[in-house]
Amino acid sequence: AQSVSQHNHHVILSEAASLELGCNYSYGGTVNLFWYVQYPGQHLQLLLKYFSGDPLVKGIKGFEAEFIKSKFSFNLRKPSVQWSDTAEYFCAVKSIWGSQGNLIFGKGTKLSVKP
Amino acid sequence: EAQVTQNPRYLITVTGKKLTVTCSQNMNHEYMSWYRQDPGLGLRQIYYSMNVEVTDKGDVPEGYKVSRKEKRNFPLILESPSPNQTSLYFCASSPRGGAGNEQFFGPGTRLTVL
Repeated sequence: AQSVSQHNHHVILSEAASLELGCNYSYGGTVNLFWYVQYPGQHLQLLLKYFSGDPLVKGIKGFEAEFIKSKFSFNLRKPSVQWSDTAEYFCAVKSIWGSQGNLIFGKGTKLSVKP
Repeated sequence: EAQVTQNPRYLITVTGKKLTVTCSQNMNHEYMSWYRQDPGLGLRQIYYSMNVEVTDKGDVPEGYKVSRKEKRNFPLILESPSPNQTSLYFCASSPRGGAGNEQFFGPGTRLTVL
């Protein structure tokens, strides 16, 4: 079965620090990849997505992610975090074949940014 | 405004009392899905629907029912809720179920079963 692993359960950073959140998936075929963010008390919002093409994807609020097919990874990065980035971040993968559009989510990484 | 709406947003109920959580989207999306979110477990899919009258089980369907009689609505039914169904529930929709489609999420329903 497909799975998505997010390496860190809780990350604590100071403002202006750089961020990298790891995401690895197990499916060997063609995939769509997503990062969602959930601010406290709110619903999930799409940060960025990869369908095809340039493996370096830029999203909203200065976030970017790099798809490395050989490593089955889609790590999220931001050069300088702000207190307002405090949230929970979810990586999600959709296989192109088989489950016809079902997203598999990682367990999430909580990011706490200290002012 | 294009959106996915859920009602109610908060619900406290007792074991065994049937309840329905409604989900509606105004984007003419074919695909709709229900997830539950639990601490440390991320989001897990309960049921999904590729189109009207087409529904299928996700990863954690036990104790839940759904229906898709109209394109815009996808209610989640708990016939006999139990405390282990206390969770945060999200409805989502996308234009279609295949590749190249992102899902749009509703605001969530926090359910407590006593």
